[in-house]
Amino acid sequence: GAGVSQSPSNKVTEKGKDVELRCDPISGHTALYWYRQSLGQGLEFLIYFQGNSAPDKSGLPSDRFSAERTGGSVSTLTIQRTQQEDSAVYLCASSLQTGPYGYTFGSGTRLTVV
Amino acid sequence: AQKITQTQPGMFVQEKEAVTLDCTYDTSDPSYGLFWYKQPSSGEMIFLIYQGSYDQQNATEGRYSLNFQKARKSANLVISASQLGDSAMYFCAMRESDGNEKLTFGTGTRLTIIP
Repeated sequence: GAGVSQSPSNKVTEKGKDVELRCDPISGHTALYWYRQSLGQGLEFLIYFQGNSAPDKSGLPSDRFSAERTGGSVSTLTIQRTQQEDSAVYLCASSLQTGPYGYTFGSGTRLTVV
Repeated sequence: AQKITQTQPGMFVQEKEAVTLDCTYDTSDPSYGLFWYKQPSSGEMIFLIYQGSYDQQNATEGRYSLNFQKARKSANLVISASQLGDSAMYFCAMRESDGNEKLTFGTGTRLTIIP
């Protein structure tokens, strides 16, 4: 596609429910990243994929968070048993290759846990 | 210690004036990259400019330039001839070359251009 696509754009969920956030990167981009941005804050790194493998999961805040990527393309971030502190904008980015290149971000999924 | 520090939470600048957004960084890695992103109220992150640690010249992209002072570990963004559309949050970020591909972001500066 022309850009990084994320869905849904907004998600309201009840505390304790599981949610899945989807990211469709730019075609051909091998690297994919998930970040989280809490209200008024900077971006917090969650996980990085190179192809289908995740060399760096260091930013996942707890074992309730997991992510996968299939076919070197679409990625899904899953949050189990959501908590109110999970409320944030989840941003996905992709880049053509690893290295010092500008990453292209999606518009994000705004998650609200009530 | 913070890896990226942006000390200006907010700035107000008159339209058509130049503006400098401050960014200092902390790394012991000799090879690293510095990025600036713009985040308008719509929320998307827009890549503006990149500076590599070994680049001899300061990066420029249109009205954006990066004032890179390696010894001082600063990478300030300069926007020339500011426009109303420049009003946004601006984030400085760093990528180190330790095999970790993540960008580490600062807390951002909210820039408001006054007509």
